This record gives sequence, structure tokens and C-alpha cells, in this order.
Amino acid sequence: GEDVEQSLFLSVREGDSSVINCTYTDSSSTYLYWYKQEPGAGLQLLTYIFSNMDMKQDQRLTVLLNKKDKHLSLRIADTQTGDSAIYFCAESIKNYGQNFVFGPGTRLSVLP
Amino acid sequence: GAVVSQHPSWVICKSGTSVKIECRSLDFQATTMFWYRQFPKQSLMLMATSNEGSKATYEQGVEKDKFLINHASLTLSTLTVTSAHPEDSSFYICSGDSRYEQYFGPGTRLTVT
Repeated sequence: GEDVEQSLFLSVREGDSSVINCTYTDSSSTYLYWYKQEPGAGLQLLTYIFSNMDMKQDQRLTVLLNKKDKHLSLRIADTQTGDSAIYFCAESIKNYGQNFVFGPGTRLSVLP
Repeated sequence: GAVVSQHPSWVICKSGTSVKIECRSLDFQATTMFWYRQFPKQSLMLMATSNEGSKATYEQGVEKDKFLINHASLTLSTLTVTSAHPEDSSFYICSGDSRYEQYFGPGTRLTVT
């Protein structure tokens, strides 16, 4: 079945880069997503990547996809205290009418 | 981007009562809406898939008679937790499909006392 795994915790110092990793098992995944969840709040879509892409960059965010190894990463450059949150990796076979499979979430703590 | 709202954002109810949570897509039509449940410090678990005008499809282990889902229009789905118990206390999040993305609501925190 489908499974998405992430490391549960990551701590970085303010100004450093953060790299959050994710592995998935479903080779038919078409879209892979990164969501951010701040305490007590819902999910905020950060970015997504289509499976035929290797990399996507959006301002401070860089997503790398290694489809062969089924590995996805999210790099946050110049990490700020406001980036402290839980980051969920999710996969979907379609981008419409299909539920997502979420990873357990990585809690990012940014130290001053 | 598109907006999904949920109401209420938080609710406290007594054991044995029922609670209704609304999920609305404000600026797009969502043929399909999804309901997720999130326990503290855990990921989201899909509860059910709601299609406009038809019965919801529930995930294994989710009691359909306890979690009633109605998707009466393309912009509104409701989740009713019937005869709530303390173990139903959780964070409930809905999402709706637009053409290109899935948009999540802000969540509803339910506390059953």
C-alpha cells in the first residue's frame, strides 16, 4: 500500500538552511506536495512538484525529487523563526478527485 | 488561491450530544471534498470522501453512522459527529478539489467533555 515517511524532528539555527526529507512507496504517485502547519492551524500549501520534474524552486524553497529512489526533499534557505512549524509531505496519484496520503510530519524548530 | 472555510473553528460539547461542522469552498466549486482527522502530534488521517449529490465513501475503521457526511451542494459539505464521546476529541480538517489543486480548510478543533 501507499506509505510516506519523514523524520519527525529537525532543529536548525536561524539563518541556516533546513532540509526536510521524505520517502514514499507508491511509484504511481503523480504529484508530491509539501504542506506547512503552524500550531493550532490548518494546512498551508507550500509547493508541489509533478513527478516528471527533478527540481522546483520558489523563492527560499527548493524541492528536489529523486523518482528512482522515491525521495523528496524540501530545502528552506535562510531559515527564520517564522518557519518553525510542522511540514507534511504528501503524495497523490492525481491532482483532482483523489485523496492525499500524508507523511507523519517533520517538526522544524528554528533556534535563535 | 482558492479558499476553504470551516465553521466552527472550535467547539466544546458534552458527551452524548451531536456536533455539526461545515466545510465551504468560497470561490470555487468542489465536486469532491475530503474529511481528515488529526490527533495531537500526529499526521492527518483520511476519514471519508464526499461527493456532491451522492453518499460519502468512508475509510476502513470509520463508523459511517457516527460520522455523518452530507455534501448537499458544490460548495458545502457537512460532518456531523453523533453521540460524541471524549475519544472523538480531535482536529478535523476538510479539503476541496478545484481543477488544479486541493485546498484545505483551517480546521475545527472539537473537544468533548
